[in-house]
Amino acid sequence: NAGVTQTPKFQVLKTGQSMTLQCAQDMNHEYMSWYRQDPGMGLRLIHYSVGAGITDQGEVPNGYNVSRSTTEDFPLRLLSAAPSQTSVYFCASRQSLAGGNGELFFGEGSRLTVL
Amino acid sequence: AQSVTQLDSQVPVFEEAPVELRCNYSSSVSVYLFWYVQYPNQGLQLLLKYLSGSTLVKGINGFEAEFNKSQTSFHLRKPSVHISDTAEYFCAVSTPRQGAQKLVFGQGTRLTINP
Repeated sequence: NAGVTQTPKFQVLKTGQSMTLQCAQDMNHEYMSWYRQDPGMGLRLIHYSVGAGITDQGEVPNGYNVSRSTTEDFPLRLLSAAPSQTSVYFCASRQSLAGGNGELFFGEGSRLTVL
Repeated sequence: AQSVTQLDSQVPVFEEAPVELRCNYSSSVSVYLFWYVQYPNQGLQLLLKYLSGSTLVKGINGFEAEFNKSQTSFHLRKPSVHISDTAEYFCAVSTPRQGAQKLVFGQGTRLTINP
């Protein structure tokens, strides 16, 4: 089973460039989310989705866009990359919609460097 | 809003010694609590979770955690660690409130096992 798949694993951008981090899951999970991981700050929620066509902002949404056209896919777009967006990005999904008691399944991460 | 504080950013221990990783949370409502582990260059995976019932929760790889409501803590313990336990450990909190989708993570504790 593939689980949660993220691409690319590594990316280097120049300031001002745009790019999309891809995330796909094959577990038919309703809930999908994007986190960024920075040293000493743990994981911070960027955006999340509770189903196709429904997205909402997390703790640090500025500079990022998301869409959810299918249950399987949840891409994260950086419209104009900045050095502050240098980070490791994780996509995660879970089945439960209510109460947040379900286990999150994580991808292996995408390491982004913005020069 | 919920928050999580992991009291130690790094914990070095010798192999076969016991270990405790400390986690305190803040919330005005009842909570769900989780510990996730991240091995080098991998995504996070669930170690254990507390939803309700017994305050002592057993997880994978010999880890356990105890929910203490009066001290708002959820410390992770293992009686005898192995080299393979070297990883970063994250405490996280969410709530049973309907529609609460956000899992809030602590800053992480890096556990290093020395031979």
